[in-house]
Amino acid sequence: AQSVTQPDIHITVSEGASLELRCNYSYGATPYLFWYVQSPGQGLQLLLKYFSGDTLVQGIKGFEAEFKRSQSSFNLRKPSVHWSDAAEYFCAVGADRDDKIIFGKGTRLHILP
Amino acid sequence: ETGVTQSPTHLIKTRGQQVTLRCSSQSGHNTVSWYQQALGQGPQFIFQYYREEENGRGNFPPRFSGLQFPNYSSELNVNALELDDSALYLCASRSNQGRGTEAFFGQGTRLTVV
Repeated sequence: AQSVTQPDIHITVSEGASLELRCNYSYGATPYLFWYVQSPGQGLQLLLKYFSGDTLVQGIKGFEAEFKRSQSSFNLRKPSVHWSDAAEYFCAVGADRDDKIIFGKGTRLHILP
Repeated sequence: ETGVTQSPTHLIKTRGQQVTLRCSSQSGHNTVSWYQQALGQGPQFIFQYYREEENGRGNFPPRFSGLQFPNYSSELNVNALELDDSALYLCASRSNQGRGTEAFFGQGTRLTVV
């Protein structure tokens, strides 16, 4: 069965520092992978997605993610975080049979001024 | 184009009651999915509707049911509410043009069961 693991529940970084959020997935075939962001009291916004092709994908708000099949990982990165990046980040995998999206438990990002 | 809208935004119900949550999908989208997000958790897939028929379901009991209407809007109904049903309920719509098509989420309905 498909699953997503986000090993870090909370991450704290200083404004202007680089960021990497970890994500590991379990999936039998080529996965469809997503990163979503959720601000307090808000719905989910898609940051980026990977379906095939180039393993380094660019998203909105300066985020990027790299798909590594050998490590079953899809880590999210940003070179320099802004205070407005403080939010909850969810990694997700798209299932094959019914197109449902399976989410990890999320990583809450805190930004220090 | 309009986005996904959900109503109401907040709701308080008593254990044992029934509730109906509503979702208007984004223009041109014929597939709607519902998710339950408990506090501190990621969203959990409840079910999905495509052209008015359920075509996928997660591990939720039958007291969670839904409808999709000809205009592709949708309802989530929960009977015999339990305290553990307290959560943010998210609706997502997409055009179902193949696996992995981007889903657009609404702001959610915060349900509190007391």
